Amino acid sequence: DQQVKQNSPSLSVQEGRISILNCDYTNSMFDYFLWYKKYPAEGPTFLISISSIKDKNEDGRFTVFLNKSAKHLSLHIVPSQPGDSAVYFCAAFHSGNTPLVFGKGTRLSVIA
Amino acid sequence: EPEVTQTPSHQVTQMGQEVILRCVPISNHLYFYWYRQILGQKVEFLVSFYNNEISEKSEIFDDQFSVERPDGSNFTLKIRSTKLEDSAMYFCASSEDRGNYGYTFGSGTRLTVV
Repeated sequence: DQQVKQNSPSLSVQEGRISILNCDYTNSMFDYFLWYKKYPAEGPTFLISISSIKDKNEDGRFTVFLNKSAKHLSLHIVPSQPGDSAVYFCAAFHSGNTPLVFGKGTRLSVIA
Repeated sequence: EPEVTQTPSHQVTQMGQEVILRCVPISNHLYFYWYRQILGQKVEFLVSFYNNEISEKSEIFDDQFSVERPDGSNFTLKIRSTKLEDSAMYFCASSEDRGNYGYTFGSGTRLTVV
């Protein structure tokens, strides 16, 4: 049962352009959503989060948008840089102490 | 910056053998987790640990698995009798609270069962 879905396994973007990574979820109990970045041979690194009471959270080049009615969130990276090339995982949990549930990840390649 | 440390980085073991994967969470964190990622698949939750006991576990975490916090710093995952399908990257994570600000993950242990 895939509660968190990332339907695009990969994405290629030119340096300087916007990267948009998408994520859908099915569990309406989720109230926190997070994005993690993972380089090869490293563990996932927390990037940015958003709670269900907000629809946008911004941190530098990274912005997460949440559309609760569509059960959809997205991560925007502007401008994209070659160092952003990694696998990006969407994750969600319910603050009643359920663990993080991850999507399958999207591999972002930023081309110089 | 505080880190979650995992050892070893790579473990090769024969099927049926016991393995212990070790983790040192961030010192002021209260919640501890094990996740795994089979090659090419998603990161899957195994178990969470709080206040010296398991708070939640997944279907994957069967009787072959156990966790322990033997002293004030280490958090271990034991697999009693490894199977080929246990081959995966195992990630330890810790968090200060229930995760509102994200878990901190270690770099993982690659377990290869032959």
